[in-house]
Amino acid sequence: GQNIDQPTEMTATEGAIVQINCTYQTSGFNGLFWYQQHAGEAPTFLSYNVLDGLEEKGRFSSFLSRSKGYSYLLLKELQMKDSASYLCAFMDSNYQLIWGAGTKLIIKP
Amino acid sequence: GAVVSQHPSWVICKSGTSVKIECRSLDFQATTMFWYRQFPKQSLMLMATSNEGSKATYEQGVEKDKFLINHASLTLSTLTVTSAHPEDSSFYICSAKNPGYRTSSVQETQYFGPGTRLLVL
Repeated sequence: GQNIDQPTEMTATEGAIVQINCTYQTSGFNGLFWYQQHAGEAPTFLSYNVLDGLEEKGRFSSFLSRSKGYSYLLLKELQMKDSASYLCAFMDSNYQLIWGAGTKLIIKP
Repeated sequence: GAVVSQHPSWVICKSGTSVKIECRSLDFQATTMFWYRQFPKQSLMLMATSNEGSKATYEQGVEKDKFLINHASLTLSTLTVTSAHPEDSSFYICSAKNPGYRTSSVQETQYFGPGTRLLVL
């Protein structure tokens, strides 16, 4: 079967670093995505990993280990505007996105 | 590039009426569009996959006669909620794949519209 799991909520301090983990199980895999979603808005694309390793893009980095079915999103130098839900999703063998429930990130000053 | 718009952004309607939501890809041609529904504090739920020029593929549990999807052109897909009821109140989001847009070889990225919030009284 297929499943994907991420923590429901995390809290971090402005200026700090936070890592949001995502684990998944699937027989067919065509990459893992991270999206950011502010309350009341649609998701916006953050990153895509299809090969093992770390992809860095400014303050955000995403890591993938296909053998472990594991990914994380790393956010550095946290800003108050980073308060949002972060959705991980993997693309299965039919190129369909399977979504996690999202991690609500709360940033405190 | 890869901008997707939705209209309207807000709809309030009476129970029993039908509501049409439009999803447009503004600067690319989208052969495939997706319709999602999201209830408060829950993740996105895929309702259907819309392919230009053919019938939509609905996910299990989604009534195709209630949620009518038309993908008549490469830049427009519509979702019509027929005979809406209060339980249909939700955040409806469309997304489109842009096969011609590559960033770090991401050919399968979905780009989302801003969403339509539907409230059925």
